Amino acid sequence: NAGVTQTPKFQVLKTGQSMTLQCAQDMNHEYMSWYRQDPGMGLRLIHYSVGAGITDQGEVPNGYNVSRSTTEDFPLRLLSAAPSQTSVYFCASSPDNNYGYTFGSGTRLTVV
Amino acid sequence: TQLLEQSPQFLSIQEGENLTVYCNSSSVFSSLQWYRQEPGEGPVLLVTVVTGGEVKKLKRLTFQFGDARKDSSLHITAAQPGDTGLYLCAGLPDYNFNKFYFGSGTKLNVKP
Repeated sequence: NAGVTQTPKFQVLKTGQSMTLQCAQDMNHEYMSWYRQDPGMGLRLIHYSVGAGITDQGEVPNGYNVSRSTTEDFPLRLLSAAPSQTSVYFCASSPDNNYGYTFGSGTRLTVV
Repeated sequence: TQLLEQSPQFLSIQEGENLTVYCNSSSVFSSLQWYRQEPGEGPVLLVTVVTGGEVKKLKRLTFQFGDARKDSSLHITAAQPGDTGLYLCAGLPDYNFNKFYFGSGTKLNVKP
């Protein structure tokens, strides 16, 4: 049972480039979320989904897009990378928000 | 400002000491959760509390949810070096059951 799988683990981008962070879960969870973690800021919610075909914005959605075409996959797209998007990105899934989330191991992104 | 405020931000103690970490908000939460995160890893769920006044114990860790469901605490008895890590509270505010917010975290270092 793989849980939540994030790829890649590390990425360096140049300002203005676009890329997609991949997230897949094999637990048939309805809820999936993307967070970014910056020093001293805890985790901030970027986008979330409550099921296939349904997504919504979190606290810091600007510069990011998501889609949820299947229950398993929830990719995060950076449209035009900026240095302010340098961060560690975590994907998480849950069968129900009240049951707690299972996290992936993160993607460390640096934008130069 | 974050929806959930944690204190203290940093804590460095000797093995065997007791400690308490606090998580406070001006909003009412339908549930609160505590996670522990180690360097290079995603957060791992420790406990979920859903009822005001609820107390849960997990070995040497005691979690409490405030009566008004606006705050929570984590108490560790006789801390050990293995308790070292970042402790995060997280929860669902009553006004939005889909957005799951995290606090800024408490970084605990237990010295042998």
